[in-house]
Amino acid sequence: AQKITQTQPGMFVQEKEAVTLDCTYDTSDQSYGLFWYKQPSSGEMIFLIYQGSYDEQNATEGRYSLNFQKARKSANLVISASQLGDSAMYFCAMSVNRDDKIIFGKGTRLHILP
Amino acid sequence: GAGVSQSPSNKVTEKGKDVELRCDPISGHTALYWYRQRLGQGLEFLIYFQGNSAPDKSGLPSDRFSAERTGESVSTLTIQRTQQEDSAVYLCASSLPRWRGYEKLFFGSGTQLSVL
Repeated sequence: AQKITQTQPGMFVQEKEAVTLDCTYDTSDQSYGLFWYKQPSSGEMIFLIYQGSYDEQNATEGRYSLNFQKARKSANLVISASQLGDSAMYFCAMSVNRDDKIIFGKGTRLHILP
Repeated sequence: GAGVSQSPSNKVTEKGKDVELRCDPISGHTALYWYRQRLGQGLEFLIYFQGNSAPDKSGLPSDRFSAERTGESVSTLTIQRTQQEDSAVYLCASSLPRWRGYEKLFFGSGTQLSVL
């Protein structure tokens, strides 16, 4: 069965520092995708970044990058130069092409300190 | 509409009553998902519809939960004989078909369900 694990329930980071949010996944399939979503206190879900299992390069979107280590089954989110507005819950998610559904991890609550 | 629409935004009900939650996906989005999010927790997969294929119901927690979708449009999540542990935000999301490659989910604002 597919599984997403986020081991950091909460993190505190000083503004302007880089932050890494951990995500490990478990699947026996070779074709899958990994997502990160942000959920501010307003509750909306905001798509941040996607990495396909066959993508050779790590995905980047502005200040967000995904550190994809396939052999270790990890897909950590890196936020460079953190901002106060980055304070939110962050969810890692996975889709497996065989059955299409997208499952989420339990999330990491990130607090950016001024 | 421009986005995924869910109604009601808030629902307070008494234990034992049935509730219906509605999701109106973005036009053209053949994939539709329901998730449950308890306070401060992650998103728990409930059910997934893709076009006219049989839905993936593997996440429904009990037979009190059911969902329907008419073609590629509106979906209704029904919870029968509600229990206090059903209190949560129920999120609906839709996306374009996966044959296009990866497709990100577009989420609605959710229905906050409170069972007294």
